[in-house]
Amino acid sequence: QKEVEQDPGPLSVPEGAIVSLNCTYSNSAFQYFMWYRQYSRKGPELLMYTYSSGNKEDGRFTAQVDKSSKYISLFIRDSQPSDSATYLCAMTPMDSSYKLIFGSGTRLLVRP
Amino acid sequence: DGGITQSPKYLFRKEGQNVTLSCEQNLNHDAMYWYRQDPGQGLRLIYYSQIVNDFQKGDIAEGYSVSREKKESFPLTVTSAQKNPTAFYLCASSFGHGNQPQHFGDGTRLSIL
Repeated sequence: QKEVEQDPGPLSVPEGAIVSLNCTYSNSAFQYFMWYRQYSRKGPELLMYTYSSGNKEDGRFTAQVDKSSKYISLFIRDSQPSDSATYLCAMTPMDSSYKLIFGSGTRLLVRP
Repeated sequence: DGGITQSPKYLFRKEGQNVTLSCEQNLNHDAMYWYRQDPGQGLRLIYYSQIVNDFQKGDIAEGYSVSREKKESFPLTVTSAQKNPTAFYLCASSFGHGNQPQHFGDGTRLSIL
């Protein structure tokens, strides 16, 4: 079993929809959580970085962490065709700052 | 503009050949990393370096080597011992400690001739 599970998709939604992307994890030591966006043939771009349980909002993006359920989510409001990309979750335990564990990514397609 | 520059964008390797991928950053980050990305497998850590002249193996270091002679530079050599080198290679960097987020370059795609 992988430490971090992420549905590969593809997830196809119409423009303007609210998108929900999710990851589950098995290691309760994970304390820091990140979401990256990766366009085709490009490197991942950091979108959100959270530590505590609860919600963190940045523009159209909201990251949610539920440590009791070992579940994190990224919500995208008013989705745009330019949001079409692969979204990667990543996390790291408190005692190991170098080691990021990545999900395999969810491919999102926003249809005009 | 500050960032991470990887070169070349595309690279081809012949059988038995070593190739070196370049990674340079001007973000004044202490730590640098190399990842390999294969379809459907996410990113896997090859090597990382927290300070100059020091580096550690990641999860899949076999067949790879690195050096860290300067803070700004962390080149990766894919040796002939790496039997399945075809992949997308990503370099990242971060401030040293405290679970700082990592920032990525735009990758090098390596293929076998």
